[in-house]
Amino acid sequence: DQQVKQNSPSLSVQEGRISILNCDYTNSMFDYFLWYKKYPAEGPTFLISISSIKDKNEDGRFTVFLNKSAKHLSLHIVPSQPGDSAVYFCAASHSGNTPLVFGKGTRLSVIA
Amino acid sequence: KAGVTQTPRYLIKTRGQQVTLSCSPISGHRSVSWYQQTPGQGLQFLFEYFSETQRNKGNFPGRFSGRQFSNSRSEMNVSTLELGDSALYLCASSFGLELSTDTQYFGPGTRLTVL
Repeated sequence: DQQVKQNSPSLSVQEGRISILNCDYTNSMFDYFLWYKKYPAEGPTFLISISSIKDKNEDGRFTVFLNKSAKHLSLHIVPSQPGDSAVYFCAASHSGNTPLVFGKGTRLSVIA
Repeated sequence: KAGVTQTPRYLIKTRGQQVTLSCSPISGHRSVSWYQQTPGQGLQFLFEYFSETQRNKGNFPGRFSGRQFSNSRSEMNVSTLELGDSALYLCASSFGLELSTDTQYFGPGTRLTVL
């Protein structure tokens, strides 16, 4: 039973355009959501997060949107750069000392 | 400051053997979590240790175990290895004040191949 789903295994975008990565979740108890980025041969690195009391959080070129009613979040990267090419993992948790639940990841390729 | 380190980086074992992986967290971090990443499966949570105690456990068989030492370093052990245990094992450290919202810092992982 996959509680966090990233339905697109891969995405290709041209440099300078917007990249939109999507994530759906099923557990209505989740109230904290994160995106991690992973390059080959490295561990994932934290990118951006959002709590359920907000519907948008922005950090430079990265914006995460949360739609609680649809149990959907998305990561927007504008403008996309070749260095953004990586695997992006969506993760979710609920309050307290509970572990993160990760999606399977989406491989983003930004083409110059 | 130094990041999370994992040793060894690569390991090849045969079925039935056991293996121990090591993780040194960022200085000052008291929580260490372990994850298994297999192709197409994302990161699956194994367990989390905080102050030498297992605080959370994922849905893995008892062949997977771990421990944490007083200096917060952690080891995980897999006994009676199976082919399906071939994976990238990642550890992540955080301050551990609230696992659900702490930023976790990942090591580069140990790539385990079981033949």
